[in-house]
Amino acid sequence: GAVVSQHPSWVICKSGTSVKIECRSLDFQATTMFWYRQFPKQSLMLMATSNEGSKATYEQGVEKDKFLINHASLTLSTLTVTSAHPEDSSFYICSAAGTSGSYNEQFFGPGTRLTVL
Amino acid sequence: AQKITQTQPGMFVQEKEAVTLDCTYDTSDPSYGLFWYKQPSSGEMIFLIYQGSYDQQNATEGRYSLNFQKARKSANLVISASQLGDSAMYFCAMREGRGSARQLTFGSGTQLTVLP
Repeated sequence: GAVVSQHPSWVICKSGTSVKIECRSLDFQATTMFWYRQFPKQSLMLMATSNEGSKATYEQGVEKDKFLINHASLTLSTLTVTSAHPEDSSFYICSAAGTSGSYNEQFFGPGTRLTVL
Repeated sequence: AQKITQTQPGMFVQEKEAVTLDCTYDTSDPSYGLFWYKQPSSGEMIFLIYQGSYDQQNATEGRYSLNFQKARKSANLVISASQLGDSAMYFCAMREGRGSARQLTFGSGTQLTVLP
C-alpha cells in the first residue's frame, strides 16, 4: 500500500506554545487528507478534512483558529496546534486519499503523540 | 444515532482459536464501504479488510474474513487461528458514498487479547 509519514512522531511542549505536525504522502498524490484526534482508550474522531489548495472543512466543535490546517501541495498537509494547552494532549493521526493506490482505501500516517505540559 | 456500533469493549481468545468481533452500522446511503483496522499499542492504524455495499461475496484477507449481513447491517470481523500478535485494539469504520476521498466514521473499538 501507499506510504504516509508524519513528523514528529512525538512532541512535548509547554502550555501556550504552538506545535506543527506534518503529514506527507510519500509515493502518491493526496488530493484529500484527514486529521483525526484520539484520546487514550477512545476511538478516532475526525477533526477536519483538507483538500489541496482550498480551505479545510472542520467538524463541529473543532476550533479552526486553534487547529490550523494547511494543504499547500498534493503531498503535504500540516496541522498547527496554536497556543496549546494540556487538554490538547492527544494522539493526532492523519490519513490520505489520492489519485493512486487503492480506490477503496485511505492510508494512515503513524500518528503524532502530543503532550502539553 | 451511532453510525458504527461495536458492543464488545474487550474480548479474550485462546491462541489458535477463532474469534468474532462484532460491528453494526447505520446508514441510508445505498453506497458505502466498511473497513476494519487494527491498532497495536504503537498507535499505527493497520488496514485489515474492506467490504463494499455492493459486493456479493464476503471479503477475505488471509486469516481475516468479514461476515457481511446487509439486511441486518452487520459487518463482523472473524479472525481465524489467533496469534499472540493479534492482541490489539480493533476498529470498525464506515465510509458513506463512493470514492476514497470521503471521511471514515469509526466505532468505539474492541480490545482483543490473545491468551497463550
